[in-house]
Amino acid sequence: EAGVVQSPRYKIIEKKQPVAFWCNPISGHNTLYWYLQNLGQGPELLIRYENEEAVDDSQLPKDRFSAERLKGVDSTLKIQPAELGDSAVYLCASSLDTEIDTQYFGPGTRLTVL
Amino acid sequence: LAKTTQPISMDSYEGQEVNITCSHNNIATNDYITWYQQFPSQGPRFIIQGYKTKVTNEVASLFIPADRKSSTLSLPRVSLSDTAVYYCLVGGPITGGFKTIFGAGTRLFVKA
Repeated sequence: EAGVVQSPRYKIIEKKQPVAFWCNPISGHNTLYWYLQNLGQGPELLIRYENEEAVDDSQLPKDRFSAERLKGVDSTLKIQPAELGDSAVYLCASSLDTEIDTQYFGPGTRLTVL
Repeated sequence: LAKTTQPISMDSYEGQEVNITCSHNNIATNDYITWYQQFPSQGPRFIIQGYKTKVTNEVASLFIPADRKSSTLSLPRVSLSDTAVYYCLVGGPITGGFKTIFGAGTRLFVKA
């Protein structure tokens, strides 16, 4: 069974430029998460989807970050415009059963903003 | 959400048993305890989850005392490949899903 797929794996952009990350969760997983992970720290939740609905986006900086999960499968996380402080690893995870928190993570996208 | 406290780092040698303890004094009645492992340049990987007493799977054991205010992840006979960051999470069902928060984790270094 394929795991969570993320692309690109690495992205380098100049500040004020837009950037987008893509995630394909494990087939059949209804719940999808986007996390941000800074160096030396644990992942921080940005947004959680149940199917197409964003059920927890309280930590998403909505002035510059946006996300969508069309058709309840793939998801895209966008930053526009990017700032130097957005340099981090962006992780996507999916889970099947929200009653038991077993999340399957992708490899992440490492973003560097210059 | 209950806050978790775990050691920043630990050292061990190959073949030893490693126990990583996590404190979660404010754990709620319906909260579960979950541990994840993360290698460099990879996403976290689920290790084990429990509610109370002891849980064992093919890679680890999780010990939870009766008051559930702490938990201990036990890794039997570690190898160099067990060098990673280990996260303790506490969370439970909420309206619309399941809520947990990652802490800073424990960096385990296994030496030859």
